[in-house]
Amino acid sequence: EIVVTQSPATLSVSPGDRATLSCRASQSVSSNFAWYQQKPGQAPRLLIYGASTRATGIPARFSGSGSGTEFTLTISSLQSEDFAVYYCQQYGNWPPGTFGQGTKVEI
Amino acid sequence: EVQLVESGGVLVQPGGSLRLSCAASGFTFSDSSMNWVRQAPGKGLEWVSYISGGRSIIYYADSVKGRFTISRDNVKNSLYLQMNSLRAEDTAVYYCARSQVGLAAVPMYWGQGTLVTVSS
Repeated sequence: EIVVTQSPATLSVSPGDRATLSCRASQSVSSNFAWYQQKPGQAPRLLIYGASTRATGIPARFSGSGSGTEFTLTISSLQSEDFAVYYCQQYGNWPPGTFGQGTKVEI
Repeated sequence: EVQLVESGGVLVQPGGSLRLSCAASGFTFSDSSMNWVRQAPGKGLEWVSYISGGRSIIYYADSVKGRFTISRDNVKNSLYLQMNSLRAEDTAVYYCARSQVGLAAVPMYWGQGTLVTVSS
């Protein structure tokens, strides 16, 4: 099973800042990688799939990059509604589609 | 609008059984791959099971294999998860999720979840 490691666990930022979240897969998954956002008490929301393709309705300030084992989610200018927990997921070796442990983006 | 509504989560004793349901609307259910994903309290996401639209392909996480059974009724537009031999570590919010079109492994639309608590 591929292990996905997210960093940092917590990211403290201010509105308007640029935020960079990272994930590393224990072996290459090509571009089979996704990112999700989860706010308290809500279900996760798909942000990015295919490492860099935004899902329907996702604002352009969210961008994904990477391939192989290293992946990055960038939020170009944080809005108040972006403070949440972000999870990454590999699906290059599926099943299972393993998730990272999450990065909390806080003020 | 895609809607997924889970139900059936309750408090159950270790070793017990439970059946979760997910009512789907707003899309062609029979053409859609579906998943169950769970989240233990305060923890991250764990994929549990997958079923293709035609029910010909089914997968399970190792942690539930042999204990859980995924199924669907394409007439009733419903997804199910039969959970047997429940353990304390199965305590979680269980989400029903529709896969991204063309990407079976990527849950795109999620329900709000139903809480399963396994405790004596």
